[in-house]
Amino acid sequence: GQNIDQPTEMTATEGAIVQINCTYQTSGFNGLFWYQQHAGEAPTFLSYNVLDGLEEKGRFSSFLSRSKGYSYLLLKELQMKDSASYLCAVRDRTGGSYIPTFGRGTSLIVHP
Amino acid sequence: GAGVSQSPSNKVTEKGKDVELRCDPISGHTALYWYRQSLGQGLEFLIYFQGNSAPDKSGLPSDRFSAERTGGSVSTLTIQRTQQEDSAVYLCATMGTGPYEQYFGPGTRLTVT
Repeated sequence: GQNIDQPTEMTATEGAIVQINCTYQTSGFNGLFWYQQHAGEAPTFLSYNVLDGLEEKGRFSSFLSRSKGYSYLLLKELQMKDSASYLCAVRDRTGGSYIPTFGRGTSLIVHP
Repeated sequence: GAGVSQSPSNKVTEKGKDVELRCDPISGHTALYWYRQSLGQGLEFLIYFQGNSAPDKSGLPSDRFSAERTGGSVSTLTIQRTQQEDSAVYLCATMGTGPYEQYFGPGTRLTVT
């Protein structure tokens, strides 16, 4: 199985930049996902990393270091609507099932 | 439809009753996952279907839980003799063969009284 750790809660100011870290331990790494989940809603896909490096998509970027078992999600020019839970998920190919395992999520609060 | 749909959206049931939750996946998506999410918790994997292969049931918490997927499309998750600890949001997600993102349905909020 995987151990996935991410901070429980973070706060930031509108317009600022925030970095949400995720560390993991897995034996058969096959990709890392970030999802956004607003309260009472289903998670929505943000990014997928399988190779080391930075993937940029608009205001959101995701970084992966496989050797360190580490990823971060970077949110720029924060907006109030970015207040949500951010879920890190790691997919493991052990056993051939390729099932993503989710962390507990980081609750981000953006204040004016 | 364009996305994953689930029904019912809310279900309140008495302890000991059986419930059936339904997931209609995106057409053509061969992989289907069931998760549950308790208040303040992460998503807990329950079961995974991939095409015609035998499902991965390793996440089912007890033998009261079962799921099936008919014709590689609609899936139903059945919980027998519900307990209060079964109260959670049950999420279905599907994945196509191309991009690796999972598309989640809106979930079924199950409350066992």
